[in-house]
Amino acid sequence: RKEVEQDPGPFNVPEGATVAFNCTYSNSASQSFFWYRQDCRKEPKLLMSVYSSGNEDGRFTAQLNRASQYISLLIRDSKLSDSATYLCVDPTGTASKLTFGTGTRLQVTL
Amino acid sequence: DGGITQSPKYLFRKEGQNVTLSCEQNLNHDAMYWYRQDPGQGLRLIYYSQIVNDFQKGDIAEGYSVSREKKESFPLTVTSAQKNPTAFYLCASSMTPDPTPPQHFGDGTRLSIL
Repeated sequence: RKEVEQDPGPFNVPEGATVAFNCTYSNSASQSFFWYRQDCRKEPKLLMSVYSSGNEDGRFTAQLNRASQYISLLIRDSKLSDSATYLCVDPTGTASKLTFGTGTRLQVTL
Repeated sequence: DGGITQSPKYLFRKEGQNVTLSCEQNLNHDAMYWYRQDPGQGLRLIYYSQIVNDFQKGDIAEGYSVSREKKESFPLTVTSAQKNPTAFYLCASSMTPDPTPPQHFGDGTRLSIL
């Protein structure tokens, strides 16, 4: 099993829709995660962190389910500009243990 | 503006040639990282440095070398020993070497084989 797994998508949703995707992880000791956003052929940019209490930032909500070992990212009222690949990261341990998921591609359409 | 500058944006390598990718940051960050990203894959750590004059191998260090002579600079050399160098290379930095993901990325260098 991969340390961090994501459905590559693409998730195609109409503008205004609500979309959610998950990231499963294998390290049961992990207690925090991060979501990054990466536009096509660009660098990743930190979107938000997620801890056991969850995190909400505007239209974005991130949740951590430690029992089932997954994190989720919910985007409400999708905008065209939300189209990107979303990477989840398990930062457990030293720098050499940072693990990036392969990303989930989101395409928001008119 | 503070940030990370990678150069060049595009680079072509001939067979048997070593090439060096530049990464400079003016954020006064202690830790710097080099990642490689292949299509449809996540970022894989090549090398990282937590402090000047010190660096550690990541998961895929073979065929690469680095130096950290200055806090702001962390160049990556792709040697001829790296048989499949075509990829998107990303440099990143973080304020401390704590187990926290890099907060800032450069805009990347695309390396291709001629």
